[in-house]
Amino acid sequence: GESVGLHLPTLSVQEGDNSIINCAYSNSASDYFIWYKQESGKGPQFIIDIRSNMDKRQGQRVTVLLNKTVKHLSLQIAATQPGDSAVYFCAERGDYKLSFGAGTTVTVRA
Amino acid sequence: GAGVSQSPSNKVTEKGKDVELRCDPISGHTALYWYRQSLGQGLEFLIYFQGNSAPDKSGLPSDRFSAERTGGSVSTLTIQRTQQEDSAVYLCASSPPGKGWNTEAFFGQGTRLTVV
Repeated sequence: GESVGLHLPTLSVQEGDNSIINCAYSNSASDYFIWYKQESGKGPQFIIDIRSNMDKRQGQRVTVLLNKTVKHLSLQIAATQPGDSAVYFCAERGDYKLSFGAGTTVTVRA
Repeated sequence: GAGVSQSPSNKVTEKGKDVELRCDPISGHTALYWYRQSLGQGLEFLIYFQGNSAPDKSGLPSDRFSAERTGGSVSTLTIQRTQQEDSAVYLCASSPPGKGWNTEAFFGQGTRLTVV
């Protein structure tokens, strides 16, 4: 779904641990999903994407999982580093436009 | 240019004045989005363009907000009679046509608008 001025949920992670960020999407017709990372003072940047005909996709230290049955998307970050501290947004593409989830603020503890 | 360019990067305006925010998308990107982001909050959808038309403008908060896109390229977001609650970062994004791989949206750095 789309964020409409909601306070973002937060996740605090110990450096070196794995992080899991969850997102529920709204449109069962969406066929393309993206995770973005937004650092302070910057625009969101692409991390990884996945198509609806896949359940899992891996990148460098990141894995995206898609469960279409319950319309759930997750991002796993392995061995979380201080540079991973940011706000993470999921996005879905339906028939024509990209819609963003509410976002999660990730803070990495040293 | 190589990325989405927004101008100005910062804008301070007096309450009641009109402002124009500009977005130069990546060349060839047919889709263009405007979002608003208040401090510490998520992305609030404002309007979506496909080419020069706006099939979805459902996120514009009031009739003080309008946007246009010309030549399938540059877009301008105009806020009339600005109010303090309009203070936020306004983000523009563009994406190529299609729905498959490599059609993610690319964001600009945003325009930070402060209404005093």
